[in-house]
Parts: sequence; C-alpha cells; structure tokens
Amino acid sequence: DAGVIQSPRHEVTEMGQEVTLRCKPISGHNSLFWYRQTMMRGLELLIYFNNNVPIDDSGMPEDRFSAKMPNASFSTLKIQPSEPRDSAVYFCASSSGVVSYNEQFFGPGTRLTVL
Amino acid sequence: GNSVTQMEGPVTLSEEAFLTINCTYTATGYPSLFWYVQYPGEGLQLLLKATKADDKGSNKGFEATYRKETTSFHLEKGSVQVSDSAVYFCALSESGTASKLTFGTGTRLQVTL
Repeated sequence: DAGVIQSPRHEVTEMGQEVTLRCKPISGHNSLFWYRQTMMRGLELLIYFNNNVPIDDSGMPEDRFSAKMPNASFSTLKIQPSEPRDSAVYFCASSSGVVSYNEQFFGPGTRLTVL
Repeated sequence: GNSVTQMEGPVTLSEEAFLTINCTYTATGYPSLFWYVQYPGEGLQLLLKATKADDKGSNKGFEATYRKETTSFHLEKGSVQVSDSAVYFCALSESGTASKLTFGTGTRLQVTL
C-alpha cells in the first residue's frame, strides 16, 4: 500500500494567491483528517470527514479555508486568498475509524510558504 | 473539553539513558490513548496505543501504561538510541468519536552519542 499521498510536498506562493492542497487517503479508509502544524500552535485539527461527509470543521481558521471530499479517494484543502500567517505544514491523515482506537495514518505533509 | 498535557522539551539524553516523557489527559468517558512519533521531515506515525485502563502499549522498546486513577500515559524506554531522536506526541481519542484525536504539544527528544 502506498500510504496516504499528499501533493505538492512543497508550495511557495505569494500573499493573495489561491492554494490547493491535495490528499489521497489509503484505499478502504472512510475517515479523513486535515491538520496544520506550526511551531507556535503545534498540531491543529482543521476538519475531518467520515464517508466523504464533513463531520467537524470547527478547526477551520476562517472563511478563507475550505475543504472538499468529492469521493472516497480524494480530498482538497483550499486557501483563498492566502496570507503569510498560513505558512505551515499541512498534514492529511486517514483511518478506517469507526471506533475510537483505530489508528490514523499520516501523509508526509505539504510545506506551505506564503510570502 | 478534551485536552492532553505533555512535558516541555527538548529532552536531551545520552545514548543508552532511560527515557520518560510525561503525559496527562483530561477527558469525559473512557478515551483511548496513543503515542505518535514524528521523525524529521516526515508525518506522524503511531508508536503505541492503549484502549482501556491498566492496558500497557509497547513497541520498539517503548512502553506506556494507561493509568485512569492518575489520568496519565507516560512514555518510557529503558535505553534510548540516537535513532530515537524525534518529536513524540501524546494523544487521546474519546469513545464514539470515530478516531478523532486530540494531541499534546509534542516533546522533542535529542539523543547524543
């Protein structure tokens, strides 16, 4: 199994530009999570989906952030417009997670730099 | 709400030293507890877990015991190696929440020769 796949691995953009991060979860997993990691705030859960449906988006910082999961094998996290404070590593994780002790499998992350 | 508190890092140890990283939690119900490890430039990966009180999770020489009476899940290893240098995250998942995790802030471990 290829594991969770994220693209791009690195993204450098200018303030005001739209950024789209992509994630392919592990086949057969029905829960998908987007996290943001910064030195200041640590690891934050932004949003998670169960069976392609957003369950909890309370961690999404503001309306500039949106996430979609059009099917079981693909999700996007979009930032429009981007700001320098959005610079962080964004992780996608998936789980077969219908029970609380199921492991989350993390992708390698996308390092976003907004200039 | 749920929360996880970890000891501040960085923790710097010599190879073969004993490691303890403290973790305490606050949760309603009966959470499952996890330790994840993040090596430089990588995503997090599960190190060990425990799903009920008094369970001991273990992997790669690391172990942690789920202590309900002290709401703790401290990570220990008897003899660390340079290759154990990483950031360690304690996390909990409350029952019935489809594996949604609440993470601690992470503890960086640096092991030197």
